[in-house]
Amino acid sequence: DGGITQSPKYLFRKEGQNVTLSCEQNLNHDAMYWYRQDPGQGLRLIYYSQIVNDFQKGDIAEGYSVSREKKESFPLTVTSAQKNPTAFYLCASSINRENIQYFGAGTRLSVL
Amino acid sequence: RKEVEQDPGPFNVPEGATVAFNCTYSNSASQSFFWYRQDCRKEPKLLMSVYSSGNEDGRFTAQLNRASQYISLLIRDSKLSDSATYLCVVMNRDDKIIFGKGTRLHILP
Repeated sequence: DGGITQSPKYLFRKEGQNVTLSCEQNLNHDAMYWYRQDPGQGLRLIYYSQIVNDFQKGDIAEGYSVSREKKESFPLTVTSAQKNPTAFYLCASSINRENIQYFGAGTRLSVL
Repeated sequence: RKEVEQDPGPFNVPEGATVAFNCTYSNSASQSFFWYRQDCRKEPKLLMSVYSSGNEDGRFTAQLNRASQYISLLIRDSKLSDSATYLCVVMNRDDKIIFGKGTRLHILP
């Protein structure tokens, strides 16, 4: 089955800890995205990548980092600099930036 | 004016009724429009694209009004399973994609 897989589904972070969220797609999409969703809020773009080895900051990139070493993978690291990391994190992909985005099932991150 | 605005609701509608909601956008150069559906604690899923001529998919009809800068979604013969949050998505010419905060819909038995 083609799709976007995010793992883990739930993640807990201790104070001062960096955590990495996984996002893998087998749709052969060039573009991949990370969003954050807080309760009652819309999706906010953290980072996006249009091609391997290249990525751009979104609207709320501070405290986050990404890499795009393979077309299929776009992991997101939530660093200790992100002071309010509790949220629902969604990864998406699209054929390119001009096309419809498809989402993974999301990762819920909480702080212990 | 916010880039994309939606009435947050909730819209409480009896089963079988028709419900419609709008989404306004501020950038007159916006070029692509979509409706996504998001169930509670799940990911958004594409419901339908919105074309200039309007489009229909079963019980769902989407329309675009460029002059007044809004898109609409109409749901006929609503089902309990239609209960969800409906997200309006607008894509601008610079390929920036903006998600609305969503409209919550509750279909009542």
